[in-house]
Amino acid sequence: DSGVTQTPKHLITATGQRVTLRCSPRSGDLSVYWYQQSLDQGLQFLIQYYNGEERAKGNILERFSAQQFPDLHSELNLSSLELGDSALYFCASSVELGGGNEQFFGPGTRLTVL
Amino acid sequence: GQSLEQPSEVTAVEGAIVQINCTYQTSGFYGLSWYQQHDGGAPTFLSYNALDGLEETGRFSSFLSRSDSYGYLLLQELQMKDSASYFCAVDGSARQLTFGSGTQLTVLP
Repeated sequence: DSGVTQTPKHLITATGQRVTLRCSPRSGDLSVYWYQQSLDQGLQFLIQYYNGEERAKGNILERFSAQQFPDLHSELNLSSLELGDSALYFCASSVELGGGNEQFFGPGTRLTVL
Repeated sequence: GQSLEQPSEVTAVEGAIVQINCTYQTSGFYGLSWYQQHDGGAPTFLSYNALDGLEETGRFSSFLSRSDSYGYLLLQELQMKDSASYFCAVDGSARQLTFGSGTQLTVLP
């Protein structure tokens, strides 16, 4: 158990819908990252927050948005869903900024768009 | 931009040694990380190399050559539980990780 929690574990929805994925980082970690992992693919970095502020953006679609709240939990919002958005979405957290810091991953949310 | 290359699959027998290579191209470089992911599970951190050379942690070692834009993960005394996907990831100019596509390691009895 990494200490990072994600809800829900599974999500099944239809094309065109909007969903919200939630992540609670490890206690004391200020940095939160969101990744997308499609079938048999690597992890695609989406976005990073540090202490409530957006710090870096990766290949995140305009239909996707995220935020980090004062209690440091984060939410990833996916809208106008398409079939291709079906994937595992991971949240990770680390104490500090910087890719060299060990990132602790949550169990992921498996999103299925029908 | 950044790109990483690693073999898609590697197979070895229990007790053997296996090396998973990773080459990268990046506009900025701070270090190379390795993560392990079992089927359906969360990735877990294995190592991070910022400087050239070999870092050893138990049965696993990681090597980096910055001049060659190359690194590898060495797994010794392979066990069945080591069957998993292994990802190298570059810590680049934006100080966030860019992951390779992963190497599926299968350990045979």
